[in-house]
Parts: sequence; structure tokens; C-alpha cells
Amino acid sequence: TQLLEQSPQFLSIQEGENLTVYCNSSSVFSSLQWYRQEPGEGPVLLVTVVTGGEVKKLKRLTFQFGDARKDSSLHITAAQPGDTGLYLCAGASNNNDMRFGAGTRLTVKP
Amino acid sequence: DAEITQSPRHKITETGRQVTLACHQTWNHNNMFWYRQDLGHGLRLIHYSYGVQDTNKGEVSDGYSVSRSNTEDLPLTLESAASSQTSVYFCASRAGGSSEQFFGPGTRLTVL
Repeated sequence: TQLLEQSPQFLSIQEGENLTVYCNSSSVFSSLQWYRQEPGEGPVLLVTVVTGGEVKKLKRLTFQFGDARKDSSLHITAAQPGDTGLYLCAGASNNNDMRFGAGTRLTVKP
Repeated sequence: DAEITQSPRHKITETGRQVTLACHQTWNHNNMFWYRQDLGHGLRLIHYSYGVQDTNKGEVSDGYSVSRSNTEDLPLTLESAASSQTSVYFCASRAGGSSEQFFGPGTRLTVL
């Protein structure tokens, strides 16, 4: 059983479309991170959210941490082919023990 | 520039053989981690270390061991490789007090 559930597992869209991916858990986290991973490479950190209700923006990417610090979403506006990759969320507990979701594999077609 | 490297990048071995995967970081981070990544499971923690001579078991530690003789290196050893250990292995490091992990490029291990 995955501690962090990510949905959808796969997403294929056309360039220019908007999308939202989700990361849900029944556990409370002290912080939550989103990573992006390209084929043949390790994950790269995009953002860390710490406060319940927090919203962070990174160019066309908007990250939100749920009020109860159990869930998060990633919204991409006007997706581009360069956004293609595996998006992973990871939740950290108070002792910094970190658990990863299985990821959402995004394909943006030109 | 500081970095984290893994070697080899690809390895094919036979069931029962001992295999060691190397991880080297120049960030001078105290905290180092080994994960395996399998389809549908995401990244699962194998072992981790918070400093020299410190090692701890993670979520899926059976059949694996690590040693930490210096700050820069955390080699992962499969004592007797099994087909279930076919996976992509990632090493990561993190500064003390920080939640940001830096990942290596991964090692793809196939056990025949």
C-alpha cells in the first residue's frame, strides 16, 4: 500500500493545455516536495511546501499544500513538450523520514 | 561544482553473485540514502546514513547492506543477488537540517 497516492498515474495531453496532478495521503506531513524526473536521470527537486494552505508558483507551475498538510496538487498552465517527465511527490515526517509516491508520468505532445 | 555520482550506470549479474554499487558525493553532506525505483512503487528507501560509521535500515533493506567509512561514499552491497532485486537504484544526499535531497543519475541493475 502506497503511503502517498498520486493521480493520475499517466497523463497525455496536447501542447498548450492545462493540467492538474494530485498527491494524497491519510498521513500528516511536516513538509511536502515535488520532484521531476527525466528518463535516465535522478529526480530533481522543484519545490518544497511547508505550511498548510501554502501556494507556490514556479513560472507556469503552481503547487498547493492542503490545509491539513495531507495532500498537494501541481497545476501546469499551457503545458509544453519540455514539461514531459515523471512527477513525484514526497512527504516528510517530523523526523525527516521521507516517503515517495509512485509518480505521474506526463507526456505533452507538440 | 559539487555533484553526486553513481557507478556503474548499468550492470548485469547472475543470481547469487555479490554486487556492489558505488555512490560518491562532493557536497560534503552528512546524510546519504539509497533507494530503488520500480514501476508502480515509486522510490523505496533501502538504507540510509546520517554520518560516518552510522547506517540504518530503510523500508526494503532485506538482502542489502551499506557501510559509511567516510563522508563522501556510501556503497550499497547485494550480498547474494536475486532476480527480485532487478531495479533502478538511486543514491541521494542531503545536508543536515535540510529536506532537499540531491539524487545521483541512477544504476540500472539486472539480475539474471
